[in-house]
This record gives sequence, structure tokens and C-alpha cells, in this order.
Amino acid sequence: AQSVTQLDSQVPVFEEAPVELRCNYSSSVSVYLFWYVQYPNQGLQLLLKYLSGSTLVKGINGFEAEFNKSQTSFHLRKPSVHISDTAEYFCAVRGGATNKLIFGTGTLLAVQP
Amino acid sequence: GAVVSQHPSWVICKSGTSVKIECRSLDFQATTMFWYRQFPKQSLMLMATSNEGSKATYEQGVEKDKFLINHASLTLSTLTVTSAHPEDSSFYICSAALAGGPYEQYFGPGTRLTVT
Repeated sequence: AQSVTQLDSQVPVFEEAPVELRCNYSSSVSVYLFWYVQYPNQGLQLLLKYLSGSTLVKGINGFEAEFNKSQTSFHLRKPSVHISDTAEYFCAVRGGATNKLIFGTGTLLAVQP
Repeated sequence: GAVVSQHPSWVICKSGTSVKIECRSLDFQATTMFWYRQFPKQSLMLMATSNEGSKATYEQGVEKDKFLINHASLTLSTLTVTSAHPEDSSFYICSAALAGGPYEQYFGPGTRLTVT
């Protein structure tokens, strides 16, 4: 079975500062990893995904994430955040033959001016 | 591309009535659709997986007789909350996976259900 841990429920950061949102996973099989963003009262939008290949994945809106198999992590980073990045961010894992996504508990990124 | 819509976006109903929520893939065919439930400030919990032309697979603890799912075509799945109660009030989100390679799920905008 797979699981996802997002240790930070909320990350406050000033505008134009860098940010890292942490995600750790556990799985006994190879995994596919995803980061989604959710704005208030909206569905989820895919930021980026890791399926295979290069461990550094670039996504939309200037976000990137690095897959680290030895540390079972898939942290999300952005070098300079904007007020508009304020949202809930979810890390998700899909492993093995299943097509189900397992979501973390989410991290609220709160960008302050 | 890969747009998923949900209707209605919000609905208020009285306790004891049934409510139907539609999930449509607008520009692609989806052999598999998923239904999630999200409580305020919480993560998404998978309720069921719906495959076109077959019965839905429900997650443990989800009442299949209360949450009826129908996936009649490659572009439409419906979730009917039967005999709704206030505790069914929640944000319901569907997603759809492309036929031939469900590596990625495309999410609908969600439906806010309030049962009074």
C-alpha cells in the first residue's frame, strides 16, 4: 500500500521569497508522483508529475520538484513566489498496477506581501 | 485540452431528498472516472472508481446504496446521493483518466452540496 505525508499543514512566506513544500511517500513498488494545486472552492489542477526519467521535474507557474528515491521524497519548490500562488497544495502518489491516487493532507501556501 | 466539468457547481437540498451530480469529460474519452469527497480544510478521500459500462468499485466504508454511481458513456458519470442527510454535506469532486493510459487524472471544479 502507498501513503503520502505532507508534514507542513501551512507554510507562510513573503512575496518573492523562495519556498519548498515537503512531501514524503512510502511504497513497496515503483510509484508515479504528482503535485496538484487547489484554489478556494475549485477542483484540482496538475502542477507537475514524475513518471520516470529525469528526477527533476518542471511544472507550470514556475514550480519544480525533485524525485529522491533514497529519501522517498518529492518536494515542491519555487524560487520566487507571488501573491497569486496562495492556495492549497496536494502531493499524491499512484503505485503499481492500481490507478488510484493517494493524496497527502495538503499544505496551505500563504504568500504575504 | 482534457477538461472535466461538473454540474451543478453547488446545490442545496432538504434532508431526505436525492441529489444527482454530473461529471463530464468535454474533450476526451474517459474509461475511468473517480469520485472524491472533501471536507473543509481536509484532503480528498476517494469514494469510488467508475469504469464505463460496469459497476463502480467503492472504497471501504462508502455506502454504495447511498452513493449511486453510473458511468453510462465514455464522457459521463453521475453520482446520486440518495436520502441525503446533513452529514452528507461536503465538496464532491470527480476526475477522469484518459483512455489507454491512466497516469494522470483530470479534475472537475467540484460540487458543493449542502443538506438542510
